[in-house]
Amino acid sequence: NAGVTQTPKFRVLKTGQSMTLLCAQDMNHEYMYWYRQDPGMGLRLIHYSVGEGTTAKGEVPDGYNVSRLKKQNFLLGLESAAPSQTSVYFCASSYSSLAGVYNEQFFGPGTRLTVL
Amino acid sequence: AQKVTQAQTEISVVEKEDVTLDCVYETRDTTYYLFWYKQPPSGELVFLIRRNSFDEQNEISGRYSWNFQKSTSSFNFTITASQVVDSAVYFCALRRTSGTYKYIFGTGTRLKVLA
Repeated sequence: NAGVTQTPKFRVLKTGQSMTLLCAQDMNHEYMYWYRQDPGMGLRLIHYSVGEGTTAKGEVPDGYNVSRLKKQNFLLGLESAAPSQTSVYFCASSYSSLAGVYNEQFFGPGTRLTVL
Repeated sequence: AQKVTQAQTEISVVEKEDVTLDCVYETRDTTYYLFWYKQPPSGELVFLIRRNSFDEQNEISGRYSWNFQKSTSSFNFTITASQVVDSAVYFCALRRTSGTYKYIFGTGTRLKVLA
């Protein structure tokens, strides 16, 4: 199993450009998440999905859009990149057992994005 | 409101010293889960432990141990005989079991272990 993978690993954009970050997981997890990590601020949730075809806003959703057309993929889009979106982006997935046990998140390796 | 506080921004210790990383959480729920993750300099996030609110037993895994105290809403992490490879940012997280699918993360504690 590859676990959670993210594409690309690094990217430099100019202000106003658009791009899509791809997250893929091969563990059949229901839940997927996008976070951004900035110095001193920990992990902040951008958007998440509780199943194929569903998405929801996290705490910092402005400037981002997401889609989950397939259960294994969760895409994060930046329509018009801004310098404030310079960050490291992490994707994560998780699942719950039939007994309602909530498990840990599995994280991708991260994408380092710089917006000039 | 749900909240996780890691008041120690950065800790430096000398190799072989013991070190405790504090985690204090806030929740009104009676059922919840707590987690610790490690983020080494390479950047990936590594899961260390999960604990549910009904299990207050302390856990030990090698040099790592965790102390969960519901009375003080704390889930502290101790590294015994620290090593340089323990240098990382450590995150504590909280997950409710109803009403949300979100994990609430603390801001992390950067641990530097000096040789």
